[in-house]
Parts: sequence; structure tokens; C-alpha cells
Amino acid sequence: AQSVTQLDSQVPVFEEAPVELRCNYSSSVSVYLFWYVQYPNQGLQLLLKYLSGSTLVKGINGFEAEFNKSQTSFHLRKPSVHISDTAEYFCAVSFAGGTSYGKLTFGQGTILTVHP
Amino acid sequence: GAGVSQSPRYKVAKRGQDVALRCDPISGHVSLFWYQQALGQGPEFLTYFQNEAQLDKSGLPSDRFFAERPEGSVSTLKIQRTQQEDSAVYLCASSLVGGTASGEAFFGQGTRLTVV
Repeated sequence: AQSVTQLDSQVPVFEEAPVELRCNYSSSVSVYLFWYVQYPNQGLQLLLKYLSGSTLVKGINGFEAEFNKSQTSFHLRKPSVHISDTAEYFCAVSFAGGTSYGKLTFGQGTILTVHP
Repeated sequence: GAGVSQSPRYKVAKRGQDVALRCDPISGHVSLFWYQQALGQGPEFLTYFQNEAQLDKSGLPSDRFFAERPEGSVSTLKIQRTQQEDSAVYLCASSLVGGTASGEAFFGQGTRLTVV
């Protein structure tokens, strides 16, 4: 079984400042890793995903994340945030095995609030 | 349609009432997932369909929950004799392929169920 821990429930930051949202996972098998964003009253939208290869993954809206296998982490970063980045962010994992179908296990979410 | 569509967007049910939540996935998508998102929590997996076959229903919390996808497209999640603990947002997601975890899942806006 997999589990995901997002270490911060809320992250306030000022506009144009850098931000890091932390995610750690636990799994006895290989996993794929995802970050989703949820704007108010909207569904989840995929920001980026790590399947294999380069551990630094670039996504939409200027976000990137780095997979660290030894620390079982997949932290999300953005060098300069905008007001429009205010949303809730979810880290998720899925089993990477051949019989997997993509069931996602989510963390509890981090609310990012960008202040002017 | 362009995305995953869920209806109704909001549902208020009296305790003990039966409800049916509808999901229209993206046309041609093989995989369909239902998730439950309680207030302040990340989504939790309920069930998975590959075309019309329900391959995993391990996340359904009780036998009051039932899901179907009879023609491999539209899916309905039914909750019988609703209880207050069923209050949550129910999310539907679809992805193009089945049998792999690497495909992107597209989420609908969800149905917010409130049991009073």
C-alpha cells in the first residue's frame, strides 16, 4: 500500500516570492508521482508527473518538482508566484507495476495563498 | 464534450434518501474512476471501471454504495439510505487508456453532496 504526506496544510507567501510545497510518500513498490492543482469550485488539474528518467520534472504554469528516491520526496517548487497561483495543491502516487491501472493515492492537500 | 461532466453539481439529501450521481467522461476514454473528497481532505479512491467492467471496488465504504457503467461511457454512483458521513464531494475522473498508470486522469468538477 502507498501513502502520501503533505507536510504543510497551509502556505502563505507574497507575490513574486519563491515557494516550495513538500510531499513525502511511502511505498514498498515503484510508484509514479503527480501534482494536481484545485482552484475553488473546480476539478483537479494535472500540474506535472514523474514516470521515469530525469528526476527534475517541469510542468505547467512555471512549476517544477524533483523526485528524490532516497528521501522518498517529490517537492513542488516555483521560483516566483503570482496571485493566480492561489489554490489547493495535491500530491499523489500510483503503483507503477505492469498490472496497475492508475488508481491514485492523494495527500491531504496544501492550500497556497499568495498575498499582494 | 470537452471535459468530464458531472451532475448535479450540488445535491442536498435528507438522511435515509437514495441519491444518484452522474458522470459523463471524455468521449473514448477507457478508464473511469470515482473518488470521495471529504471536507479538508484529499480525494480517496472509491471504484474503477475499464470500459463497462468494474475492476476494482475496494474503496466503496459500504454496501450502500453502488456504481455502474453499463455501456462503457456514462457512469452512475448510487448511494442508498444516505447518512451524514456520506457528505462529501464526489469526483469522477477518466483517462484515455486502461491498464496503465502513466496516462493522465482528467477530473470533473465534482458533485457536492450534503446529507441533512
